[in-house]
Amino acid sequence: DAKTTQPPSMDCAEGRAANLPCNHSTISGNEYVYWYRQIHSQGPQYIIHGLKNNETNEMASLIITEDRKSSTLILPHATLRDTAVYYCIVRPYNNNDMRFGAGTRLTVKP
Amino acid sequence: DTAVSQTPKYLVTQMGNDKSIKCEQNLGHDTMYWYKQDSKKFLKIMFSYNNKELIINETVPNRFSPKSPDKAHFNLHINSLELGDSAVYFCASSQGWTGDQPQHFGDGTRLSIL
Repeated sequence: DAKTTQPPSMDCAEGRAANLPCNHSTISGNEYVYWYRQIHSQGPQYIIHGLKNNETNEMASLIITEDRKSSTLILPHATLRDTAVYYCIVRPYNNNDMRFGAGTRLTVKP
Repeated sequence: DTAVSQTPKYLVTQMGNDKSIKCEQNLGHDTMYWYKQDSKKFLKIMFSYNNKELIINETVPNRFSPKSPDKAHFNLHINSLELGDSAVYFCASSQGWTGDQPQHFGDGTRLSIL
């Protein structure tokens, strides 16, 4: 019962930008957009989160549309080590409920 | 310098046994969690613990009980293990439990019930 929709899989060429879309059309005003990834047999790794504004850190950029109904995670220069399942999660401010969906399996190819 | 560490990494045991999984975080966080990832790879929260307040996901059987001896540790005890308990269990921590605080995960404990 995740509140987000993501494509099940995507490919990206090594060295190119990977743009992962997420639809969250029912997002509420106090809900954050989070991105995590899970590399095979490891725990979910936090990437980035945002509320309204675009965000950037050393790993990625998060672009949130003005109406907040969708977002895009951008990995600027994908490497083979970025191959993973990427989860987009909508999380309320007032509790710790974080629901993981099926995510997008990103495969970075040489 | 592992931030959230779990032991053991693998746990193989028989139905009916009681087992524990340990979790420790060195991030100075005050909130810890347990998640279960089933065979279909869906992650679901089981427990949240902050400042002596425990929040339990209503779907978790009472055979599962978490214990926090101090702020850095949040261990999971499972009684009378069943086949359906086979899964990967992840511990996580955050500073506070509001939605603006990221949760940081350990690498999981793969539990297999024979």
